[in-house]
Amino acid sequence: DSGVTQTPKHLITATGQRVTLRCSPRSGDLSVYWYQQSLDQGLQFLIQYYNGEERAKGNILERFSAQQFPDLHSELNLSSLELGDSALYFCASSSTGLPRETQYFGPGTRLLVL
Amino acid sequence: SQQGEEDPQALSIQEGENATMNCSYKTSINNLQWYRQNSGRGLVHLILIRSNEREKHSGRLRVTLDTSKKSSSLLITASRAADTASYFCATWAQGGSEKLVFGKGTKLTVNP
Repeated sequence: DSGVTQTPKHLITATGQRVTLRCSPRSGDLSVYWYQQSLDQGLQFLIQYYNGEERAKGNILERFSAQQFPDLHSELNLSSLELGDSALYFCASSSTGLPRETQYFGPGTRLLVL
Repeated sequence: SQQGEEDPQALSIQEGENATMNCSYKTSINNLQWYRQNSGRGLVHLILIRSNEREKHSGRLRVTLDTSKKSSSLLITASRAADTASYFCATWAQGGSEKLVFGKGTKLTVNP
């Protein structure tokens, strides 16, 4: 158990809908990362937050947005969902978000868009 | 685009044998990390090797890094059925790209 929690574990929804994925980092970690894992694209970095502020952006679509709240939990919002958004979404956390640190991954949310 | 490329894509061995997975990357790195993922589950950090290190050990794991060839290898000795998983290398590129870039992974199957 990494100490990172993600809810829900599974999500099934329809095209065009909007969903919110939630992540709670390990106790004491200030930085949160979101990743998408799909069969064709592999594991892709989406976005990073540090202490409530966006720190780095990766291959995140404009239909997706995220935020980190004062209690340090984070939410990833996916809107206007398409079939291709079906994937595993992982959240990870680290202490300060610096490159030399280990990232601890949550168990993931499996999203299926029908 | 993927920074790291693992080789082979899949590897099947018998329990007790050693498993070697390789990773090649494209740009200068700050460090290279190896992660394990059991089927459909979260990634587990295995080991981090810094760009100024050449070899690192952790239990049955041995990681080497050759920055001149931009490659790394992960050796699992005396493999067990529980080692069955996908293994990913990930790199932090130098120069502040501020993201961890993962390869596509090697799927290891250890047969009892």
